[in-house]
Amino acid sequence: GAGVSQSPRYKVAKRGQDVALRCDPISGHVSLFWYQQALGQGPEFLTYFQNEAQLDKSGLPSDRFFAERPEGSVSTLKIQRTQQEDSAVYLCASSLAQVSYEQYFGPGTRLTVT
Amino acid sequence: SQKIEQNSEALNIQEGKTATLTCNYTNYSPAYLQWYRQDPGRGPVFLLLIRENEKEKRKERLKVTFDTTLKQSLFHITASQPADSATYLCALYNNAGNMLTFGGGTRLMVKP
Repeated sequence: GAGVSQSPRYKVAKRGQDVALRCDPISGHVSLFWYQQALGQGPEFLTYFQNEAQLDKSGLPSDRFFAERPEGSVSTLKIQRTQQEDSAVYLCASSLAQVSYEQYFGPGTRLTVT
Repeated sequence: SQKIEQNSEALNIQEGKTATLTCNYTNYSPAYLQWYRQDPGRGPVFLLLIRENEKEKRKERLKVTFDTTLKQSLFHITASQPADSATYLCALYNNAGNMLTFGGGTRLMVKP
């Protein structure tokens, strides 16, 4: 299919480990977003890219979180020294235009930190 | 502070009835509002967008209203079906930043 894909779908990490979550957006989509979704809550914005430029990272909870999109397509969200409070579903979304009228979401990566 | 509120309690209705979900917000001036559907283990799926200068939008069995004076949007599903059972999220977009802010979602259960 031509939708947004994310890998891995599930990740278990021991506290203190580094993790890397991958997002493959829909081909040609300019904007890419990362969200964090806790159980029973709505998605919370983390960061936004327009092509390869990270235009907004105001939602990243700490400097342990880092995202990149070096060639303007695939994006990686990296979490260093994971903590239990990082356990959540991490969603990636892409949209065709610069303005996010409609966002297409991937299935998410469920991260569990033990 | 900015706040988006959706009823956190599940809404249970009988098949064939109309489901009405509410989204209230404070301290926002959204350019537009969106509704998404989310099934367990999946990402949200876009349903409808309504702009600040529109009162109502329809798509098949779905209807959304947007009252910027009351700071409220209502989402209706007519002739509901068990397949409509899911969590429904509202999201606001404002021109201050190119991002959506989501409410907590309301879970809808349609019983046959």
